[in-house]
Amino acid sequence: EADIYQTPRYLVIGTGKKITLECSQTMGHDKMYWYQQDPGMELHLIHYSYGVNSTEKGDLSSESTVSRIRTEHFPLTLESARPSHTSQYLCASSEFLNTEAFFGQGTRLTVV
Amino acid sequence: AQSVTQPDIHITVSEGASLELRCNYSYGATPYLFWYVQSPGQGLQLLLKYFSGDTLVQGIKGFEAEFKRSQSSFNLRKPSVHWSDAAEYFCALTTSGTYKYIFGTGTRLKVLA
Repeated sequence: EADIYQTPRYLVIGTGKKITLECSQTMGHDKMYWYQQDPGMELHLIHYSYGVNSTEKGDLSSESTVSRIRTEHFPLTLESARPSHTSQYLCASSEFLNTEAFFGQGTRLTVV
Repeated sequence: AQSVTQPDIHITVSEGASLELRCNYSYGATPYLFWYVQSPGQGLQLLLKYFSGDTLVQGIKGFEAEFKRSQSSFNLRKPSVHWSDAAEYFCALTTSGTYKYIFGTGTRLKVLA
């Protein structure tokens, strides 16, 4: 079944640690996105990719980085986690521009 | 700049009652519009979408939405709410040729038994 997967679902980690949030999709979509979501707030785009070897920063400034070496894989990395990074991170993909985006189940990150 | 406004932060309805969630947008042309639902601890699931054509669109789980250009609105409706509909609902838009999906701040729906 075509889907989009995020791991881990929940992560509690200490300050200063390096972490990678995984996102994979089996739909063959070229467009992929990372959103940050805080309670009561709209989703904020932090990174997007049009395809392999294409990554761009979104509207919300983020200390994270992303890579797109394979179409199906779009990991997000924090080199040194801080409490301000505590949030929910949602990965999404779409087939074309202006079509619907499909979302993973999210990773809830807590940095202590 | 484009924007999406969901005026109601919280809505409470009784099971079996009808539901309308409001969504207003700001954009000079016709946007592509979406409604998503998010259950606690989950990602967003697409309920329905509007691209063009018929202004009343049907979605999953018995939801429908009506696009009204004159009011810049895309309200979500359901004739009879079920307890399982309790969740957060997000309205979103995107525009021609852009990577951006712009989301509203969401409406949290509570359903009373």
